[in-house]
Amino acid sequence: AQSVTQLDSQVPVFEEAPVELRCNYSSSVSVYLFWYVQYPNQGLQLLLKYLSGSTLVESINGFEAEFNKSQTSFHLRKPSVHISDTAEYFCAVTSNSGGSNYKLTFGKGTLLTVNP
Amino acid sequence: DTAVSQTPKYLVTQMGNDKSIKCEQNLGHDTMYWYKQDSKKFLKIMFSYNNKELIINETVPNRFSPKSPDKAHLNLHINSLELGDSAVYFCASRQGQGTSYTFGSGTRLTVV
Repeated sequence: AQSVTQLDSQVPVFEEAPVELRCNYSSSVSVYLFWYVQYPNQGLQLLLKYLSGSTLVESINGFEAEFNKSQTSFHLRKPSVHISDTAEYFCAVTSNSGGSNYKLTFGKGTLLTVNP
Repeated sequence: DTAVSQTPKYLVTQMGNDKSIKCEQNLGHDTMYWYKQDSKKFLKIMFSYNNKELIINETVPNRFSPKSPDKAHLNLHINSLELGDSAVYFCASRQGQGTSYTFGSGTRLTVV
């Protein structure tokens, strides 16, 4: 079984400031890791994912996350945020061996609010 | 063309009623899921189907009954609706080993 802990339920920042959203996971097996974003009253969109290979993964809109196996973390970072980045961010994990049919286990989400 | 479509988008109904939410994916994926997002935004899996076969049933009350007539459709029927069923229900599909899910836009169910 897996679990995900997102340490901050809310993160307020000013526009153009850097931000880090923290995610730690627990699993007895090797995992795939994901960050999803949910804009107000919308569905879930994949932001980025770690499957294998380079531990640093990037999205097309400037976010990046680094898989740290020893610290069981997958923190999300952006060097300069925009007001349009205001959204709920979810970290998720699944077994990479097909256990439980690759069901996603989500963290409780972090609300990122970018203020002018 | 919407990859994973859910209908209806909003559903308001009274306690005790029976309702259905429909989900269709045009991606050719073999696996489909239902997730529930509660009022605190917490997302939890409910069901998973693989080629019309139920794979996961996560301690969901038996008032909830998924039905998959073919691998492109996964519907969710809920009997005797309760106030606590109010939530956003997301359908999703997946193909391949642990690759990305594609989520629908959600159905906001409000039980009054």
